[in-house]
Amino acid sequence: ETGVTQSPTHLIKTRGQQVTLRCSSQSGHNTVSWYQQALGQGPQFIFQYYREEENGRGNFPPRFSGLQFPNYSSELNVNALELDDSALYLCASSPSGSYNEQFFGPGTRLTVL
Amino acid sequence: SQQGEEDPQALSIQEGENATMNCSYKTSINNLQWYRQNSGRGLVHLILIRSNEREKHSGRLRVTLDTSKKSSSLLITASRAADTASYFCATDARETSGSRLTFGEGTQLTVNP
Repeated sequence: ETGVTQSPTHLIKTRGQQVTLRCSSQSGHNTVSWYQQALGQGPQFIFQYYREEENGRGNFPPRFSGLQFPNYSSELNVNALELDDSALYLCASSPSGSYNEQFFGPGTRLTVL
Repeated sequence: SQQGEEDPQALSIQEGENATMNCSYKTSINNLQWYRQNSGRGLVHLILIRSNEREKHSGRLRVTLDTSKKSSSLLITASRAADTASYFCATDARETSGSRLTFGEGTQLTVNP
């Protein structure tokens, strides 16, 4: 167990809807990253938050947005869901924005119908 | 696109044998990390090797890094059925801010009892 928690575990939405996924980072970690993992693929970086500011973004459209709160927990919001958004969404926390290992949560499995 | 590429895509061995997985990448890196994933759940960090290191050990794991060839290998010795999982290499690139991991597609390891 890494101490990183995510909710919900599973989620089913329909095309065009909006979804919010939540992540609670490990104690003492102020950096949270979000990844999307399609079935049979490796995770792809969505974005990272450091001290409530976005600190890098991958190749994802603006309908993927995020927030980090003062307690360093984080949300991933996806608007106008598409079928291809079906994936496992992973959040990872790490200490103080440096080049260290990242501690992953168990993920949220999103299915878009 | 994925920077890291693992080889082989799938590996099936008998308990007690050694398993070797390879990873290639394209850009300069700060470090390379190996992660394990069971049944599409969260990633578990195994080992981190920095760009100025050539070899690292952790229990039954041995990782090598050749920055001139932009490649790494993960060796699991005396494998057990519980080692069955997907293994991913992830690079932390030199030119990006923060700690953004770029994952390969993974190697599915099956250890038969």
